[in-house]
Amino acid sequence: AQSVSQHNHHVILSEAASLELGCNYSYGGTVNLFWYVQYPGQHLQLLLKYFSGDPLVKGIKGFEAEFIKSKFSFNLRKPSVQWSDTAEYFCAVKGNTPLVFGKGTRLSVIA
Amino acid sequence: GAGVSQSPSNKVTEKGKDVELRCDPISGHTALYWYRQSLGQGLEFLIYFQGNSAPDKSGLPSDRFSAERTGGSVSTLTIQRTQQEDSAVYLCASSPRSGFGELFFGEGSRLTVL
Repeated sequence: AQSVSQHNHHVILSEAASLELGCNYSYGGTVNLFWYVQYPGQHLQLLLKYFSGDPLVKGIKGFEAEFIKSKFSFNLRKPSVQWSDTAEYFCAVKGNTPLVFGKGTRLSVIA
Repeated sequence: GAGVSQSPSNKVTEKGKDVELRCDPISGHTALYWYRQSLGQGLEFLIYFQGNSAPDKSGLPSDRFSAERTGGSVSTLTIQRTQQEDSAVYLCASSPRSGFGELFFGEGSRLTVL
């Protein structure tokens, strides 16, 4: 069965710090990969996605993620976080089942 | 609005009662999904519909849970004889088609079972 592992439960960063959130999945076949974000009091929304092609994908608000097939990873990065990036971030994978989500990483950005 | 609409947004019920949660997907989206979000547990897949049929019900936790979709549009998730462990946020999402995974989520229905 597919599974997704997010290594960090809660990350606290100062504004302008760089961000990297880890995501690993288990599935040996072709996958589509996603990062979703949930801002406080809002619904889940898509941050970025990977289907095929260039393994470095760019999303909204300066976020990017790199698919490394050999490591089964899809880590999320941002060079310089802002207070408004405070949210919960979910990695998700679609293989041969409906979308499977990780347990989420809560990001708190402090001034 | 053009987004996924869920109702009620909040529901408090007593243990043993039945509840119905409703989802109105984005117009034209053929695939509809139900997930459950519990504190610290991420999102747990429950069921998905392609049109009015449910090819995958594997995530329903017990036979107290059922769902239907009519007219290729509105879906209802029913929980019978609710238990305290059913307390969670129930999320509905729709997609233009199944198979690719890009989902558009509603704001959820928060269920509290006392």
